[in-house]
Amino acid sequence: QSVLTQPPSVSGAPGQRVTISCTGSGSNIGAGYDVHWYRQLPGTAPKLLLTGNSHRPSGVPDRFSGSKSGTSASLAITGLQTEDEAVYYCQSYDNSFSGSVFGTGTKVTVL
Amino acid sequence: EVQLVQSGAEVKKPGESLKISCKISGYSFANYWIGWVRQLPGKGLEWVGIIYPGDSDTIYSPSFQGQVTISADTSISTAYLQWTSLKASDTAMYYCARRGYSYSSDCWGQGTQVTVSS
Repeated sequence: QSVLTQPPSVSGAPGQRVTISCTGSGSNIGAGYDVHWYRQLPGTAPKLLLTGNSHRPSGVPDRFSGSKSGTSASLAITGLQTEDEAVYYCQSYDNSFSGSVFGTGTKVTVL
Repeated sequence: EVQLVQSGAEVKKPGESLKISCKISGYSFANYWIGWVRQLPGKGLEWVGIIYPGDSDTIYSPSFQGQVTISADTSISTAYLQWTSLKASDTAMYYCARRGYSYSSDCWGQGTQVTVSS
């Protein structure tokens, strides 16, 4: 099963900007399918953070933004806050088996 | 309000069977795909498979094909994930999630911990 590749960890000081990359292939992101982002706090279920590459569901602050180009996507967090410490996952549809694939996950640490 | 409420934690022995559930409320169960996601201890999310309750159309990840069975009962708005012979390697947290816009997972259950140990 193909997976989407993310950096294992990123870190930044409060107030700084961090970005998380998500690299796929021609059967998922590169085929034009949308990328979605999730945040998972310790001991809780993942929660949808961005959908359709860059759209924020109700309640998600505009500090979170997303983009997609070619076979990759990225999530940016500006004005980093301590409560942003979590693991972030990307997800996309994969036409090789008509299902979804998740990224490997990125742990964000606020220094 | 959309809610996905999963069954409680399970402790089983290798070789035993198991069926965990995900009860839906707040929307028309038959009209949305609902899927399952595995998270091994300390690891990332893995997409297991998905079912459309309206016609029971089911898609599995190649990694899970033949290892589990996904089903749904529209009369009680509940989706299921089932094993016929558990292995220790099935020990994980399992989440159900509704498929939303553009194949996203827009609503999640709270998770069911499955522990398989002799």
